[in-house]
Amino acid sequence: GQQVMQIPQYQHVQEGEDFTTYCNSSTTLSNIQWYKQRPGGHPVFLIQLVKSGEVKKQKRLTFQFGEAKKNSSLHITATQTTDVGTYFCAALINTNAGKSTFGDGTTLTVKP
Amino acid sequence: GAGVSQSPSNKVTEKGKDVELRCDPISGHTALYWYRQSLGQGLEFLIYFQGNSAPDKSGLPSDRFSAERTGGSVSTLTIQRTQQEDSAVYLCASSRSGNSGANVLTFGAGSRLTVL
Repeated sequence: GQQVMQIPQYQHVQEGEDFTTYCNSSTTLSNIQWYKQRPGGHPVFLIQLVKSGEVKKQKRLTFQFGEAKKNSSLHITATQTTDVGTYFCAALINTNAGKSTFGDGTTLTVKP
Repeated sequence: GAGVSQSPSNKVTEKGKDVELRCDPISGHTALYWYRQSLGQGLEFLIYFQGNSAPDKSGLPSDRFSAERTGGSVSTLTIQRTQQEDSAVYLCASSRSGNSGANVLTFGAGSRLTVL
């Protein structure tokens, strides 16, 4: 069954508004990664979180890993039209023999 | 090479024909993944290789799908007797290994398959 749940599936925002996508698992994760797929493109790696409670920032993007290492979030402050795309989380779950498991993604559209 | 290379980039075939999709991973990457993505959908896991072995084939949709990897490098995904529902973009990704800390995936540009 689905081991990594991602919400929401879609998010429409006005340019300048904030955006958050959440990734949840019932099992402890070794690490969590975030990828961005622009329309018509392929997923591109953004960041990896490994430590419990870790927070990393990339300009307007803030990534968090939960204390229990079962959830993560990606927050974008003051969205721009260049932020459009689908954001995927991917997790290395201990039982999966080294295979990364992807969430279903959150598709962000930004109205200028 | 510098990135993950996939060929063909586009393939149009008739229903019932066999197709082969090729993935050339980044040199030295031991882990290789195949995903399928239908229009507007997420990433559907197909198969994962660690070296030449495939510890996880759980995502292959049917016995018409098979994949192999030789020499720990190039992989081919074969779809026999293609059906219209096989139409999708097939994405390949590779990583240095499947272990924590070294499993950042680099994706290829994908092979778009259209079955008429």
